[in-house]
Amino acid sequence: AQSVTQLGSHVSVSEGALVLLRCNYSSSVPPYLFWYVQYPNQGLQLLLKYTTGATLVKGINGFEAEFKKSETSFHLTKPAAHMSDAAEYFCAVVGGGADGLTFGKGTHLIIQP
Amino acid sequence: EADIYQTPRYLVIGTGKKITLECSQTMGHDKMYWYQQDPGMELHLIHYSYGVNSTEKGDLSSESTVSRIRTEHFPLTLESARPSHTSQYLCASSPIGTATYEQYFGPGTRLTVT
Repeated sequence: AQSVTQLGSHVSVSEGALVLLRCNYSSSVPPYLFWYVQYPNQGLQLLLKYTTGATLVKGINGFEAEFKKSETSFHLTKPAAHMSDAAEYFCAVVGGGADGLTFGKGTHLIIQP
Repeated sequence: EADIYQTPRYLVIGTGKKITLECSQTMGHDKMYWYQQDPGMELHLIHYSYGVNSTEKGDLSSESTVSRIRTEHFPLTLESARPSHTSQYLCASSPIGTATYEQYFGPGTRLTVT
């Protein structure tokens, strides 16, 4: 069975600083990996995805993530945080019924002015 | 922009009431899903559908039921609401025949059972 672990339920960074959100996965098959963002009282918006091919994937809003098979990781980064990045971030792997997603517990990103 | 809608957005209801949470998508996607999200917790898949007349239970056991009579509509019903059903419910859809498995999410329904 697939599983996802997100280290750190809360991450706080200063505006302009590097953002690093950690995600490790467990999968018995080649993984399809996703990062979603959730703003308060809203649904989930796809930031980026890894399926096959290039292991460094770029997403929206300046975010990117690198798939590292040897480390079973898919960490999310952004070079310079913006106040508008404050939100809940979820890492997910395909693995449920009808290719449903298995999610991590989420990381709440706090941006300090 | 994903076109997937959920109503109501917020619902406060008393114990024992029957409720239906609506989910509709205009993208013609065959696969649809319901996830339950408790505060500060991850999302859990509770129902999914491959298409019309297809419904299956997900990884997390739920007392809710779903139906799929039309491609675009995937309502979730609770016959007798209880406080333990208080949660956020998110609907999602995905096309069949793609290799990306990307899911599009609705805005969610926040249910409170008193």
